[in-house]
Formats: sequence, C-alpha cells, structure tokens
Amino acid sequence: NAGVTQTPKFQVLKTGQSMTLQCAQDMNHEYMSWYRQDPGMGLRLIHYSVGAGITDQGEVPNGYNVSRSTTEDFPLRLLSAAPSQTSVYFCASSYSAPGLANYGYTFGSGTRLTVV
Amino acid sequence: AQSVAQPEDQVNVAEGNPLTVKCTYSVSGNPYLFWYVQYPNRGLQFLLKYITGDNLVKGSYGFEAEFNKSQTSFHLKKPSALVSDSALYFCAVRADTGRRALTFGSGTRLQVQP
Repeated sequence: NAGVTQTPKFQVLKTGQSMTLQCAQDMNHEYMSWYRQDPGMGLRLIHYSVGAGITDQGEVPNGYNVSRSTTEDFPLRLLSAAPSQTSVYFCASSYSAPGLANYGYTFGSGTRLTVV
Repeated sequence: AQSVAQPEDQVNVAEGNPLTVKCTYSVSGNPYLFWYVQYPNRGLQFLLKYITGDNLVKGSYGFEAEFNKSQTSFHLKKPSALVSDSALYFCAVRADTGRRALTFGSGTRLQVQP
C-alpha cells in the first residue's frame, strides 16, 4: 500500500544511546518532515526536507540530525538520547504543489520512543 | 511566525447533536488550513483542507469547516455527532509561500456521549 512507513513502532533506549528512526515514502513526494508529539503540546516540527540533499531545522531540532540522500527516505538520528526525548515521533510527506487535487500531508503511524 | 490556537482542550457533545471544534490561526500571507483526526495509538488521518476557493469545505466522515478570513478562523463542524467521532482533533496551518512546514494546534479531544 502506498504511504509513509515508519520503523520501528516502539523503542526503549538508555540515556546516552544513539539510534535512527526510519521513514520511507513511495509516493514520490518532494517534501518530508519529522514531528514529535507530546501530551498537550500538539505536534512540533523537528526537521524537514524539500528535496533530496536539502534539509532544514524546525522548532525543536536540538539533539536530532537528519539527511535526505534519496527522495524516498528521510531518517531521523538521535545522537545521544535523553529522557526529554521520550515522545511519539511522526514522519510526514507531501507534494510541493498545493494546486494538485490530492495535495496534503500523509503521516506515518508513528514511533513510540522511551528513553530511560 | 505562524501559529494555531485550539482554545478548548476538550469538547463534550451528545450523540446526534451538532458539534463544533474551534481553530484560529496566524500566518503571513494566505493560509493553507488542515484538519486531522487521531484515534488512540494511531497516526493522523486527514479530514479536510482549505487551499483556495469556497470558504465552506466538506471532508471525510461528514465533517466540514468554514474558512473565515476576517476572523482568521477555521472551525470544524458536523451536523450530527456519532460516538465513533470521539477522538483527538488537530488543526494545522502553513503559509502559501516560504517554508512548507505545517504548524499544529495543541489538539482538542472530542467526547461524544451516547
């Protein structure tokens, strides 16, 4: 099925460990982004990309790195996990052109991360 | 900077009654507006969007929203609520130029009582 695939669905890390959250889309979307969802705070943008080789920071980028070597993949790396990074992480993608009838943001099913 | 306000943390409504979930926004330029719904332990599902054109937008599951430029609002409505509509609802905005990132509100939990 076409869409945004995130792996893993669940992860427990110890403080100081590093890991990569994977995100892949098969819709040829130019734009991809990472959000974290915390209770009462909605979704906050971590990093985003407008195309392969181009990334930029969102509202809460500290402690996270991204790269975009292909159109399909946009991994999120936690360099040294901290308890404050305990959250649910969502990847989203979209076309660049709002005029398309099917324009919109497609979200993955999320990764629930706990840092102990 | 762009922002979204959802002033109600929770909205309670009886099944069969009309429902409204409020959203106001702030953005430089023209807004693109979205509503998403999230069921427990699930991702976000698209409900509807306003890009341009008619101010009244109809979406999935009988929901609709009215874009009001003068009041910078995009309230979500449904004429007759169902128990199955109980979920967390998010309003989001982006500007028509510049960065394509969506900014989300903090969410409103809708509880429909039988």
